[in-house]
Amino acid sequence: KNEVEQSPQNLTAQEGEFITINCSYSVGISALHWLQQHPGGGIVSLFMLSSGKKKHGRLIATINIQEKHSSLHITASHPRDSAVYICAVSSGSARQLTFGSGTQLTVLP
Amino acid sequence: DVKVTQSSRYLVKRTGEKVFLECVQDMDHENMFWYRQDPGLGLRLIYFSYDVKMKEKGDIPEGYSVSREKKERFSLILESASTNQTSMYLCASRTGYGYTFGSGTRLTVV
Repeated sequence: KNEVEQSPQNLTAQEGEFITINCSYSVGISALHWLQQHPGGGIVSLFMLSSGKKKHGRLIATINIQEKHSSLHITASHPRDSAVYICAVSSGSARQLTFGSGTQLTVLP
Repeated sequence: DVKVTQSSRYLVKRTGEKVFLECVQDMDHENMFWYRQDPGLGLRLIYFSYDVKMKEKGDIPEGYSVSREKKERFSLILESASTNQTSMYLCASRTGYGYTFGSGTRLTVV
């Protein structure tokens, strides 16, 4: 069993829809990260969470430490949100990352 | 903004060659990492470093070594490149505020 499980694997939405991506983890962590990867490979860090909720523009990330679960929400989705979204947890001496398998999001106009 | 720069975007090397992938960060971060990304396997940790000359093996260190002689530079070395090392390689550095990733090096070993 993977230490970080993400769902769904693929998600297609219409522009304007509310989107939720889920992440569950089974290990002790120092923080949970949501990352975005566009075609071409570059990865951008969206959020780092250790508790509660964070918001940046149309993106909201929440974490429930007791349930070991996090969600990434995108409100009023737009085609430019199309990307792979990756959940990762940091742990260990250097807080190195363990990654989920990613969610390929496609937002259609 | 923190910048993590990987020296090459695309590389093609021959089997058996010694390959150097360079990564430089400009914010005096102590922690630096090398990951590889493969379809179906996701991102996996190869090596990391938490200070100059300090290094630790990650999950898949076989066939790789690293060098960190200066704080800003973390090099990944493929001692004798093999076709199963064809992959996307991503460097990252970390502070207490999170991670910054380089744009990746797509390495093809032929």
